[in-house]
Formats: sequence, structure tokens, C-alpha cells
Amino acid sequence: AQTVTQSQPEMSVQEAETVTLSCTYDTSENNYYLFWYKQPPSRQMILVIRQEAYKQQNATENRFSVNFQKAAKSFSLKISDSQLGDTAMYFCAFMGNSNSGYALNFGKGTSLLVTP
Amino acid sequence: ETGVTQTPRHLVMGMTNKKSLKCEQHLGHNAMYWYKQSAKKPLELMFVYNFKEQTENNSVPSRFSPECPNSSHLFLHLHTLQPEDSALYLCASSQEGQGFSEAFFGQGTRLTVV
Repeated sequence: AQTVTQSQPEMSVQEAETVTLSCTYDTSENNYYLFWYKQPPSRQMILVIRQEAYKQQNATENRFSVNFQKAAKSFSLKISDSQLGDTAMYFCAFMGNSNSGYALNFGKGTSLLVTP
Repeated sequence: ETGVTQTPRHLVMGMTNKKSLKCEQHLGHNAMYWYKQSAKKPLELMFVYNFKEQTENNSVPSRFSPECPNSSHLFLHLHTLQPEDSALYLCASSQEGQGFSEAFFGQGTRLTVV
């Protein structure tokens, strides 16, 4: 079974600064997908960014980028120019070929607070 | 509008009650999921339906009974629940069979068992 570990339960960053959220995972698979989801107080889970394991290039979506280290099984999320609207829970998730369909394995989440 | 709608948003029920959670997706997806989100724990996968067929039941107690009448609707029937079943229940959908597919989530049902 795959496990996803987020070692930072809570983090805080000032507006316009950069913050990095960490995620590690454990798998014996070679092909898989990794995701970062955001859950604001509205509870809506929103996909922030995704990474295919076979791609060496780190994914980027506007202010969000990842540092994917396949050998180290690490998948950190960097948020640049943080905005107040980035305040939310952030979940790292793994999807592998051995899962049933496209079901996701989630970490426990990191609560991010962006302060003025 | 998220494409995945869950009702009700909030539910309080007694341990002897029977209630149902509903999920509807308007995205044309063929796979639907129930997740349980409890405080301080990772989201837990409960059930998976592909093409209306249940393909996974993650050791979920029988007091939770899923139903998928068609690829657009998913229900979670609840009966004789325990207080520890209080949680946020999230529904998601995705499109299988065409490589990678992003999962889209509903806003969840906040369930409180008293």
C-alpha cells in the first residue's frame, strides 16, 4: 500500500512571500501520479497541480510549482507571492496503477495561513 | 459550480436513524468515489464505482451502504451509525479508461451523529 506523509501540520507565511510545503510518499511502483489539492474553508477540494512520475520536468501552474525528486520520493509544493486567498488546507495525494480506478491516497494535510 | 453536487451539506442524525447522502456529477464521468474526512486523519477512501459497478470496498462497516443507480448518481445509505462516524463525507468523480484523469470533488456533507 502507498503511504503519503506530510510532516508539517501547520505553516504560516506573510503575504507576497514564498512558502514550501513538504510531502514524501512510499511506493514500489514506477509509474504513478502525484497531486496537490487545496481545501479552503468552503471545504471544496480543488486541484492545484499534478505531476506524472515519468516526467522529469517539475510541474508549474502560475504561482505554484513542485520539486519532484523521484529517487527520494519527495514532492514538495512551492507557493510564490503568497496571497490571502491561499489560506487553506493543502493535501498531497498519490495515485498509482495498482489502485482501483483513479482513487487517491492522501496525506494528513498542511494547514497554511497567509497573513497580511 | 463544481460539476459535483452533494446533498445535504449538513446532516445531524441519531444513532437509530436511517438517512442517505446524495452525490450527482454533471461531468459525464464514469467513475465515482466516496471518501471520509475526519479531523487529524488523511482522507479515507470508502467505495469506488466504475461504470456503476462497485470495484472497491475499503473494509467499510456494513452500516454504510453505497448505491450507484447510474454513472451520474451515487448514494451513501446510513443506518445505526456511531458517534465516531461523524465526519465530512466527500464524493468525487473521474473519467477512467483514457489515461490520466483528474478527480473532481463535491463540497461534502458534514455529518454529525448524536
